[in-house]
Amino acid sequence: RKEVEQDPGPFNVPEGATVAFNCTYSNSASQSFFWYRQDCRKEPKLLMSVYSSGNEDGRFTAQLNRASQYISLLIRDSKLSDSATYLCVVNSGAGSYQLTFGKGTKLSVIP
Amino acid sequence: DAGVTQSPTHLIKTRGQQVTLRCSPISGHKSVSWYQQVLGQGPQFIFQYYEKEERGRGNFPDRFSARQFPNYSSELNVNALLLGDSALYLCASSLRRGYSYEQYFGPGTRLTVT
Repeated sequence: RKEVEQDPGPFNVPEGATVAFNCTYSNSASQSFFWYRQDCRKEPKLLMSVYSSGNEDGRFTAQLNRASQYISLLIRDSKLSDSATYLCVVNSGAGSYQLTFGKGTKLSVIP
Repeated sequence: DAGVTQSPTHLIKTRGQQVTLRCSPISGHKSVSWYQQVLGQGPQFIFQYYEKEERGRGNFPDRFSARQFPNYSSELNVNALLLGDSALYLCASSLRRGYSYEQYFGPGTRLTVT
C-alpha cells in the first residue's frame, strides 16, 4: 500500500462546480496533514493545514478522519484560477518534519 | 518578507559530474528540508536539517549529501550524477505551529543530467 494515495485524475469541471478530492494515508503515527497546490513547473504552495476538527478557508474545506486515515478537500464555486495539481501531504510522525506527498490530482476548471 | 530562495534555477550537467544546490530559508526559520520531484510524481524527501544538525534522511544513496550553515542556509550536493537524477530539487523551510510543521517551498532548481 502506498503511503499516501490520492484519487487518480484528471478532474475536468465547469466554473462554479463543487469538486472533492480524497486521500488516504498508511502511517498511523502521522500527526500533521496538509493540502498543497502546485501549478505547472512551479513549486508546491501550502493551501491548508488540516485539523482534526476540520477547517474552512473561504471556498476550501478540509476534513480529517484519523480512524479511517482519510483526508478530504472540498472546493466550492470553482474558479479558472483553481486549475492546478492538488497534493495531499502527511508528516512521518510526531515531531517529524519529513513530509510524504501523494502523486497529486490534476484539476482543470473549464469556462 | 522574502520567501525561500534557491540557486541556480536551472542546471545542466553530464553523467558522473558533481553538483551543488543552494537554499536560503525564510528569515526566522531554522529548519530546511530538501525534496526531489520527478515529472508526474509528488516530491520525495531527501534530507532535513535543524540547527545545523541532520534530523532526517530519506531513501536516497550516499551520493546525496547536505549541510546547513550557521545562518541556516543549506547546500545539497550530489556526486557521480546519473541520468535518473534529473529532477526538480526543492528546498523547504519550516515553521512550527503547535503540533504542525508547515513547510514553505522555494522555486526549485531544475537539474538536467545528460
